[in-house]
Amino acid sequence: AQTVTQSQPEMSVQEAETVTLSCTYDTSENNYYLFWYKQPPSRQMILVIRQEAYKQQNATENRFSVNFQKAAKSFSLKISDSQLGDTAMYFCALQKAAGNKLTFGGGTRVLVKP
Amino acid sequence: DAGVTQSPTHLIKTRGQHVTLRCSPISGHKSVSWYQQVLGQGPQFIFQYYEKEERGRGNFPDRFSARQFPNYSSELNVNALLLGDSALYLCASGYRWGEETQYFGPGTRLLVL
Repeated sequence: AQTVTQSQPEMSVQEAETVTLSCTYDTSENNYYLFWYKQPPSRQMILVIRQEAYKQQNATENRFSVNFQKAAKSFSLKISDSQLGDTAMYFCALQKAAGNKLTFGGGTRVLVKP
Repeated sequence: DAGVTQSPTHLIKTRGQHVTLRCSPISGHKSVSWYQQVLGQGPQFIFQYYEKEERGRGNFPDRFSARQFPNYSSELNVNALLLGDSALYLCASGYRWGEETQYFGPGTRLLVL
């Protein structure tokens, strides 16, 4: 069974500052994918960033970057230069390579303050 | 290109009724998955389909069923609705089986009274 844990229920950050969200996971698979999804108040689930477990290089997408520590089963998300539009729930998710099932964490609510 | 679409956007039902939710994947995508998201929690996997075949099922009762049509759209059916079925139902589509990023629709918000 796969599990994903997000230990921070809520975080706040000042506009233009940096915030880091934590995620730990457990899986017996060697090949898998990790994702961060953003869910604003509109409830639309939006892909933020994806990391392949076989890649050592950490993924980056503009202001979003991850710190992937495979041995520690840790996958944190860093949001740089936070903007008001980043206010949302952020979900960490795990997907086995053989299949399309996503296992989600409980989410972290991020509030960007002006 | 249009994204994943779901209908209806909102729905109110009473206990014991039946509901059908619909999902159209991104054009060219052959995989559809369904998730239930109860308020304040992360989404929980219900079903996944690829090429019109069920490829996985989550820990949900038999009141939940689904199917995928030849055009790759999908329906989720829930019978004998319970208050606890009130949730946001999300559909996600992917191009192929495995090793694939999935993209979500806007969801259907179901309220059971």
